[in-house]
Amino acid sequence: EDQVTQSPEALRLQEGESSSLNCSYTVSGLRGLFWYRQDPGKGPEFLFTLYSAGEEKEKERLKATLTKKESFLHITAPKPEDSATYLCAVQAGTGNQFYFGTGTSLTVIP
Amino acid sequence: DTGVSQNPRHKITKRGQNVTFRCDPISEHNRLYWYRQTLGQGPEFLTYFQNEAQLEKSRLLSDRFSAERPKGSFSTLEIQRTEQGDSAMYLCASSSSFTGVGSPLHFGNGTRLTVT
Repeated sequence: EDQVTQSPEALRLQEGESSSLNCSYTVSGLRGLFWYRQDPGKGPEFLFTLYSAGEEKEKERLKATLTKKESFLHITAPKPEDSATYLCAVQAGTGNQFYFGTGTSLTVIP
Repeated sequence: DTGVSQNPRHKITKRGQNVTFRCDPISEHNRLYWYRQTLGQGPEFLTYFQNEAQLEKSRLLSDRFSAERPKGSFSTLEIQRTEQGDSAMYLCASSSSFTGVGSPLHFGNGTRLTVT
């Protein structure tokens, strides 16, 4: 069965302390890997799509990378406003479902 | 583009009552998804429409749950005879099949259901 695992479950960083979030997946026929940000009480907000190993995408302090088995979301010099839950999802095979991980809850302390 | 809209934002109901939620997708999007999310978990797939056709439905979805998308525009999700275990955030998302492989989902802000 297709699986998406995110780690760590929770991460506390000092403002300016860079780190990475991990999303590992076991799927057949990856069609896309997606990163989302979710604030409390709101729906997930789309950040990036990655399609193939070696691909990278950047947006402000965030950079997403993809290998054949996992994706990383690198956060450079985070600010308190980056605090949120970051979700990873994959779309694979012939179906159109998106499979989500359980997310990483990021807290950035001023 | 006004985004995905969901109503109501919050719903409190008593066990055994029926509830219905509405989702208005992004107008250009032909695909519409329903997900359920509980605290500390990622969104769990419920069902998916392409235009007015319901193409996929989770095997875990109880018969008490039904969704419709008449005319391929807005969608409704109905839960009959609600149970306390139905308490969750119900998320709607839309996407387009016309923008190629891997078109992302765009989510609304959900309907928070509390069953007492």
